[in-house]
Amino acid sequence: QVQLVQSGAEVKKTGASVKVSCKASAFADYYIHWVRQAPGQGLEWMGWIIPNSGATNFAQKFQGRVTLTSDTSISTAYMDLGSLKSGDTAVYFCAISEAPGYFYSWGQGTLVTVSS
Amino acid sequence: QSVLTQPPSVSGAPGQRVTISCTGSSSNIGAGYDVHWYQQLPGTAPRLLIYSNFLRPSGVPDRFSGSKSGSSVSLAITGLQAEDEADYYCQSYDSGLSGEVFGTGTKVTVL
Repeated sequence: QVQLVQSGAEVKKTGASVKVSCKASAFADYYIHWVRQAPGQGLEWMGWIIPNSGATNFAQKFQGRVTLTSDTSISTAYMDLGSLKSGDTAVYFCAISEAPGYFYSWGQGTLVTVSS
Repeated sequence: QSVLTQPPSVSGAPGQRVTISCTGSSSNIGAGYDVHWYQQLPGTAPRLLIYSNFLRPSGVPDRFSGSKSGSSVSLAITGLQAEDEADYYCQSYDSGLSGEVFGTGTKVTVL
């Protein structure tokens, strides 16, 4: 089972950007997904990246504002969210699937707090 | 904005059976896409509970079961235990949105 370890909590100003990392115990032909959860709210899928090819897909809501990248040499994926707003305050999770479908392993989550 | 609808809460006494429904539309569940279920304990990451409608990953107790019939999907918990108190989410693919979608989430309370 692949384990995912995310970077630590971040506090950012409105309008700034944040980059969250997700290190996997192993990379293969997986999909790394990013999912966020605002305080007291449900889960929201943001997009995925296939690290081995760099292919990406995004939820329409985040297109143009989210960049997903990966560094296969260190088995790490990154989520870069720009033009931060207070509504982006959330816990951001990475998760892994073998195809578009179910997420069988999750990172521990990274709290991103956006304030003015 | 969730496109899959779940009841906000369900509750039951220890040992009872509870079910959680997940209602979608013709672009997701109704189109035949698989449904998956997650359990999220307070302050933790979600955990895969059921995948591909009714399959259980290893380590998930058989008290948890999933079903799908046409556009109707549900998660059942039999023999409810105190440790089952958590939030539960369904997830599927939506062809109109070209991406994954989650349910609104259901809080299970053990009385």
